[in-house]
Amino acid sequence: ETGVTQTPRHLVMGMTNKKSLKCEQHLGHNAMYWYKQSAKKPLELMFVYSLEERVENNSVPSRFSPECPNSSHLFLHLHTLQPEDSALYLCASSQGQGDYEQYFGPGTRLTVT
Amino acid sequence: DQQVKQNSPSLSVQEGRISILNCDYTNSMFDYFLWYKKYPAEGPTFLISISSIKDKNEDGRFTVFLNKSAKHLSLHIVPSQPGDSAVYFCAAINDYKLSFGAGTTVTVRA
Repeated sequence: ETGVTQTPRHLVMGMTNKKSLKCEQHLGHNAMYWYKQSAKKPLELMFVYSLEERVENNSVPSRFSPECPNSSHLFLHLHTLQPEDSALYLCASSQGQGDYEQYFGPGTRLTVT
Repeated sequence: DQQVKQNSPSLSVQEGRISILNCDYTNSMFDYFLWYKKYPAEGPTFLISISSIKDKNEDGRFTVFLNKSAKHLSLHIVPSQPGDSAVYFCAAINDYKLSFGAGTTVTVRA
């Protein structure tokens, strides 16, 4: 496998559920990112990890909890979400935190019912 | 507050003609600008970029122009091809953070 992969591609969950999104990059990059894209809105940066350490938390509610166990994997743990959290969640990676070119995964389409 | 704006949500162009996509920004601290292209069910892919110290960058059929005084950049695609039909995102960087526009959907008509 190459590039950045994300699982699952689609997820429907209730407001009381707990689920996790997974991202894996096969590019040997050191920085990973979570973005949220709501309908008709720009991508919003949520979290940035560099060398497995979180370097940015962009005022994201605590019901979203990221985890980066190693430089190739990134998770987004979800609990007690709201319907307005329904969106496309995109993972990206780059060689380093300051590198301009980011490589994106295909995203997870999340629907909260 | 949206710092990068793409005011045209869609653009339709005939095959072989020029596509011009526009982007405006408000933050004068942005030092690098990028265009990403996105097909349905795929993540955005990097297309072309330009440093704030330049006013033009060309890569094959794609050219990006930057007008810093107007805080405006544009992407020219010429000639447009059916495979160019996609959503195009303008993005700008300050302190390693990417700020995206909402995207412009380009449809190339045969």
